[in-house]
Amino acid sequence: EVQLLESGGGLVQPGGSLRLSCAASGFRFSDYAMSWVRQAPGKGLEWVSYVLNGLRTTYYADSVRGRFTISRDNSRDTLDLQMNTLRAEDSAIYYCVKHVSSWQHFFDSWGQGTLVTVSS
Amino acid sequence: VLTQSPATLSLSPGERATLSCRASQSVNTFLAWYQQKPGQFPRLLIYDASNRATGVPTRFSGSGSGTDFTLTISSLEPADFAVYYCQHYYNWPLTFGGGTKVEI
Repeated sequence: EVQLLESGGGLVQPGGSLRLSCAASGFRFSDYAMSWVRQAPGKGLEWVSYVLNGLRTTYYADSVRGRFTISRDNSRDTLDLQMNTLRAEDSAIYYCVKHVSSWQHFFDSWGQGTLVTVSS
Repeated sequence: VLTQSPATLSLSPGERATLSCRASQSVNTFLAWYQQKPGQFPRLLIYDASNRATGVPTRFSGSGSGTDFTLTISSLEPADFAVYYCQHYYNWPLTFGGGTKVEI
């Protein structure tokens, strides 16, 4: 059974930093592309960032490019999101999501999410 | 940009639900639908515009190509009252529609 367990969320002041992590299990992590998707309270879904399985290919939403960095460690089956210069509009539940494959960019597995609140 | 309509659909169990997703440019058939219930993460329903994901009941069907897509729930069951999102994967950035809430 695929399991994605996010951690690292919390309350941070505007301009601050936070690092989210996702521990994956139940599948061959190195075979799949991964993304982060977020959802502000009471709002819709927003794709944030993507990393390919074995290569260093990454993509970012315009809203986070230059502030967020996605990375993965295939030896530890973990996915990270380093978030810098955080803004109030970054407040959301952040989901770690598994792509169906390296080239099919929709999501068949989601974590429970970790809540990030950016507020003074 | 993906635009979903209506924003809210008020129906009764047993009725047919028709949800629309319109893309600002062609996405071919690179479109997925998800269902999200309160307090839960989204669940994949449909991919490639018309293929049901594993375990999805046959009352859910998807259609369309290019810019106009439809998710149909043939006969609503109580468990189907939720928010539905479409998502394209034609190119980067991936985007979601704003969602349609199906309420009783």
